[in-house]
Amino acid sequence: KNEVEQSPQNLTAQEGEFITINCSYSVGISALHWLQQHPGGGIVSLFMLSSGKKKHGRLIATINIQEKHSSLHITASHPRDSAVYICAVRDYGQNFVFGPGTRLSVLP
Amino acid sequence: DSGVTQTPKHLITATGQRVTLRCSPRSGDLSVYWYQQSLDQGLQFLIQYYNGEERAKGNILERFSAQQFPDLHSELNLSSLELGDSALYFCASSSGASNQPQHFGDGTRLSIL
Repeated sequence: KNEVEQSPQNLTAQEGEFITINCSYSVGISALHWLQQHPGGGIVSLFMLSSGKKKHGRLIATINIQEKHSSLHITASHPRDSAVYICAVRDYGQNFVFGPGTRLSVLP
Repeated sequence: DSGVTQTPKHLITATGQRVTLRCSPRSGDLSVYWYQQSLDQGLQFLIQYYNGEERAKGNILERFSAQQFPDLHSELNLSSLELGDSALYFCASSSGASNQPQHFGDGTRLSIL
């Protein structure tokens, strides 16, 4: 069993739809990161969470420490949101463990 | 633009060789992180430096080494290269020692022939 799992693996949505990507982890963590990797390969850090909820524009990230689960929501999705979304956790040994990523395609 | 600069952008070399990848962090950031992204293993954390000192170590091979210099730029040295070392190598920087948002460079694509 991988330490960090994401679902779904692939997701196709129509422009305007509400999107949810889930991340589950099995280790104790000090923080969880959501990353966005564009088709060209560049990586952008979207959120870093240790508790609760954060919002930035159309993106919302939540984390439930007790359930070892985080979600990334995209409201009013747009084709420019098409990317791979990666969940990463930092464990208490300061190591980072990455999920396999969720490939999102938003169709116009 | 993240403010993190990685050079070179592309590197092609042969098995057995040694290469050095360079990273200049965003102005004011003290931490530098190195990551490897290969097709079969996804993203993996290699190592973190904070203000010149090693802070955390991940899945870094013994053939690989890194350092952070007084001007805070960092170098990742890869030696005795194998075909499996072909990957994208990303550098990221952050302001603090732990649990700060990271800013990623564009990566160095290393191809081993």
